[in-house]
Amino acid sequence: GQNIDQPTEMTATEGAIVQINCTYQTSGFNGLFWYQQHAGEAPTFLSYNVLDGLEEKGRFSSFLSRSKGYSYLLLKELQMKDSASYLCAIPPGTASKLTFGTGTRLQVTL
Amino acid sequence: KAGVTQTPRYLIKTRGQQVTLSCSPISGHRSVSWYQQTPGQGLQFLFEYFSETQRNKGNFPGRFSGRQFSNSRSEMNVSTLELGDSALYLCASNPREFPPEQYFGPGTRLTVT
Repeated sequence: GQNIDQPTEMTATEGAIVQINCTYQTSGFNGLFWYQQHAGEAPTFLSYNVLDGLEEKGRFSSFLSRSKGYSYLLLKELQMKDSASYLCAIPPGTASKLTFGTGTRLQVTL
Repeated sequence: KAGVTQTPRYLIKTRGQQVTLSCSPISGHRSVSWYQQTPGQGLQFLFEYFSETQRNKGNFPGRFSGRQFSNSRSEMNVSTLELGDSALYLCASNPREFPPEQYFGPGTRLTVT
């Protein structure tokens, strides 16, 4: 089976940096996804990591350590519009489906 | 390119009824997946269709079923509705077999009373 853990809620200040962690347990790792979901909206794809290391995409970066079963999403120069839930997800084996964590609700304050 | 569309967006049904939800994937995407999202359980996979065949199935009772048509449009059906079926039902399409980079539609908010 698979198990994914994320903190439930986080709060950060506008302009700051925040790191959202995700730990997972799975047999047969085939990459990890991060999605952003604003309240009342559909999740949107942010990143996909399959190799160890940091991948940067503008203000958002995603890190993966396969040996530790650990990933994080780093958001820099936080903006109010970054207030959303952030979901990490992994595919079980090579199946074309995703198992999602429960998500981390990030609130950005002034 | 148009995104994933789902109809209806909102639905209210009573216990015991059945419901059919519709999803049109992004043009060219042949894989369509359905997910249920609730505050308590989060996003949970229901099933995935590819070229009109169910390729993956989640851990949901047989009351939940789906199908895919030759034009890749998909429907899911829930029979004998229960209060616990109240949820946001999300459809996602995928441009390739793997990795499953899901592109989600806006969802159908189902309320069972």
